[in-house]
Amino acid sequence: DTAVSQTPKYLVTQMGNDKSIKCEQNLGHDTMYWYKQDSKKFLKIMFSYNNKELIINETVPNRFSPKSPDKAHLNLHINSLELGDSAVYFCASSQRTGSEKLFFGSGTQLSVL
Amino acid sequence: EDKVVQSPLSLVVHEGDTVTLNCSYEVTNFRSLLWYKQEKKAPTFLFMLTSSGIEKKSGRLSSILDKKELFSILNITATQTGDSAVYLCAVRWLNDKIIFGKGTRLHILP
Repeated sequence: DTAVSQTPKYLVTQMGNDKSIKCEQNLGHDTMYWYKQDSKKFLKIMFSYNNKELIINETVPNRFSPKSPDKAHLNLHINSLELGDSAVYFCASSQRTGSEKLFFGSGTQLSVL
Repeated sequence: EDKVVQSPLSLVVHEGDTVTLNCSYEVTNFRSLLWYKQEKKAPTFLFMLTSSGIEKKSGRLSSILDKKELFSILNITATQTGDSAVYLCAVRWLNDKIIFGKGTRLHILP
């Protein structure tokens, strides 16, 4: 059983399209995150949710909208995709806010053409 | 600005060598420093360090934190090809944000 699972693993799409990435964790954790990793492997936080509430919202274009229907799920919707959005998006979870050990999903490689 | 700086950015050594990876940080309200290993996909947790001078050890890997000089090192002894990966250093702030460095890409030659 995968602890943090995200779908799809790969996403290839045209500029201007809207796409979603889904994430689910079965660890019973309270906190979930979205990270973006660029081509140089720089991992940068985008959002963090604790028990369905947004607690960290970095300087991210408002084309990116996270949604947490319950504490086991955190989805990421991206409107009007741009070339610069191409990256690997990682979902992660931790037992609670302030818990250092993050469990990462296997990533979604997004390519915008 | 870069708050977590890792060096070197990349490193190539031969199997059996010992390597030292560096991580310096500049933060207010520091809570902890973390090391992760990223092979093909998801980063996996290695160590969490909160106190200066206390070495954390796991097999051939060890790490130590210096909170006065604001840096940490990750040592890998008797390297093996399976140690080839990107090693990520991260710092947790008081507001619970975890900021990652750009990583050190380590390649071990057989």
